[in-house]
Amino acid sequence: DAGVTQSPTHLIKTRGQQVTLRCSPKSGHDTVSWYQQALGQGPQFIFQYYEEEERQRGNFPDRFSGHQFPNYSSELNVNALLLGDSALYLCASSSLGRSSNQPQHFGDGTRLSIL
Amino acid sequence: DQQVKQNSPSLSVQEGRISILNCDYTNSMFDYFLWYKKYPAEGPTFLISISSIKDKNEDGRFTVFLNKSAKHLSLHIVPSQPGDSAVYFCAASAYNFNKFYFGSGTKLNVKP
Repeated sequence: DAGVTQSPTHLIKTRGQQVTLRCSPKSGHDTVSWYQQALGQGPQFIFQYYEEEERQRGNFPDRFSGHQFPNYSSELNVNALLLGDSALYLCASSSLGRSSNQPQHFGDGTRLSIL
Repeated sequence: DQQVKQNSPSLSVQEGRISILNCDYTNSMFDYFLWYKKYPAEGPTFLISISSIKDKNEDGRFTVFLNKSAKHLSLHIVPSQPGDSAVYFCAASAYNFNKFYFGSGTKLNVKP
């Protein structure tokens, strides 16, 4: 039973560039959430996708956008990269159809470095 | 505005003793709380959860306590083992939102 998988594991970009990160949810899950974890901090909620639509959004600018595909996989896109976007980006999946109160399962993340 | 706070960045405990990790929250709408464990180069792993209708939940060596009036929860690990050394995050969400707010983590070191 595959867990949450993310690609790539590491990425180096320069300021102003654009990046796309990918996530496949755990088998049986239909909801994907994205988090940003800066060094020494806890994960911060970016947004959540369910039924191919953005359901909720955290306090992140419009430069951060996403997409969910019919197979429940998801992409996180960040435009006009800033040095402050350097962080670990975590994808988490869950199944909202079963229960609203349930843990999210995380992938190992994509480490994004901006030069 | 940090709605979930872990005020101890680190904790060191002897193997076999109890580890107590603490977490405070400010949002009274939170009704579901979780603890995650994170090893370096890995994503957070779910450990244990508790809903606001309970004040205690136990799973093997791990027990989570919730004090709603104080807006405080704690994780007890008994007995602590060296393999428990990791960063522990508490997280909270409000009903039906499945959007989690995380604390900044406590790094637990269990000494052999």
